[in-house]
Amino acid sequence: EVQLVQSGAEVKKPGESLKISCKGSGYSFTSYWIGWVRQMPGKGLEWMGIIYPGDSDTRYSPSFQGQVTISADKSISTAYLQWSSLKASDTAMYYCVRHLFTDGYYFDYWGQGTLVTVSS
Amino acid sequence: QSALTQPASVSGSPGQSITISCTGTSSDVGSYNLVSWYQQHPGKAPKLMIYEGSKRPSGVSNRFSGSKSGNTASLTISGLQAEDEADYYCCSYAGSSTHAVFGGGTQLTVL
Repeated sequence: EVQLVQSGAEVKKPGESLKISCKGSGYSFTSYWIGWVRQMPGKGLEWMGIIYPGDSDTRYSPSFQGQVTISADKSISTAYLQWSSLKASDTAMYYCVRHLFTDGYYFDYWGQGTLVTVSS
Repeated sequence: QSALTQPASVSGSPGQSITISCTGTSSDVGSYNLVSWYQQHPGKAPKLMIYEGSKRPSGVSNRFSGSKSGNTASLTISGLQAEDEADYYCCSYAGSSTHAVFGGGTQLTVL
């Protein structure tokens, strides 16, 4: 069974750094892209970027380029999303997704989400 | 302002059919047959319902169907059931620079 299990909720202050994780299981982690999707409170979905764990090829949405960093450690089947300096506007639910890219374009499995709250 | 335009809300009675539209441009929906649809119940992660415009993943009811005409994609749900009440989002590939664009979401109410 394919599963994406994300790290738990975080409460941070503006200016702090943060790295959240997404561990894949039940499939070949290095053979599928992993993406990140943001959902701000009461709002819709936004595509942030993707990484191919097999070779760490990474692509970003222009809206998120330079704002976050996506990485992966294929030895432990885990992808990451990180911020170096959080802002209140980063408060949102973040989902990791298994991202079909070269063979179609859709997100067939979703993590349970990680709620990030940034508040002074 | 979302890149793809969806109606904010639609409603229907049990057993009826409804259609949710998703309007983009010639740079996204109109250029690629790569529209997907997601269902999201309150407090839950989204779930893939339709991909590549009209394909259903294994396990998704055949009451859900997708289509496209020009720059507009559509999701049709037939035989509405109470469990279909949720938010629905469309998504389209938009080229190698932008990648993916989502619609703003449509809240479906089953009366």
